Amino acid sequence: QLQLQESGPGLVKPSETLSLTCTVSGGSISSSSYYWGWIRQPPGKGLEWIGSIYYSGSTYYNPSLKSRVTISVDTSKNQFSLKLSSVTAADTAVYYCARLTQTTTYRPGDYFDYWGQGTLVTVSS
Amino acid sequence: EIVMTQSPATLSVSPGERATLSCRASQSVSSNLAWYQQKPGQAPRLLIYGASTRATGIPARFSGSGSGTEFTLTISSLQSEDFAVYYCQQYNNWWTFGQGTKVEIK
Repeated sequence: QLQLQESGPGLVKPSETLSLTCTVSGGSISSSSYYWGWIRQPPGKGLEWIGSIYYSGSTYYNPSLKSRVTISVDTSKNQFSLKLSSVTAADTAVYYCARLTQTTTYRPGDYFDYWGQGTLVTVSS
Repeated sequence: EIVMTQSPATLSVSPGERATLSCRASQSVSSNLAWYQQKPGQAPRLLIYGASTRATGIPARFSGSGSGTEFTLTISSLQSEDFAVYYCQQYNNWWTFGQGTKVEIK
């Protein structure tokens, strides 16, 4: 059974960089049919896609966050990571990592079929 | 950006009744639409993809329909475990989610 687990600091100071890692177990991050993504959910609010990555390193970022987001992959560790710079209180959210299944080569992934449990990151001094 | 609009924001339904949730896209997304269920303190769970295909292990009481800009998720007979928030998500052009519909006990 595929499992994803987020890890990283739960508290980040304003203007600093948020860093999270997602560890994938029960399957290979290098599988050709899948991308890997980050989604966040502010407390009491809806879901926002942050960005996605393929095992080769190809990345896709939400245009609204693109200037502050970096997603990377480490296939040797079966992990992918998120960095979000210059954070503010508006970046306080539960951050989820998820697998993105690709059903056609015309799109870099479709729906999120496996999710981590999520980790709350609070931006506060 | 494709904006997804869900209605109603809250749906009050009695157990055993049918629930019908709507999702509208600001432009056509073909059938590239998924539905998720989220319970408090849990990650979203994939229910439907391709607008109408149930994900693995999803009960038959969940069904999806629609294409283009109008989509519906129907829960034929609500069980106690179905009271949750439901999100639609398009994947035709990047990935965007609706704001959610909360299904609560009437």
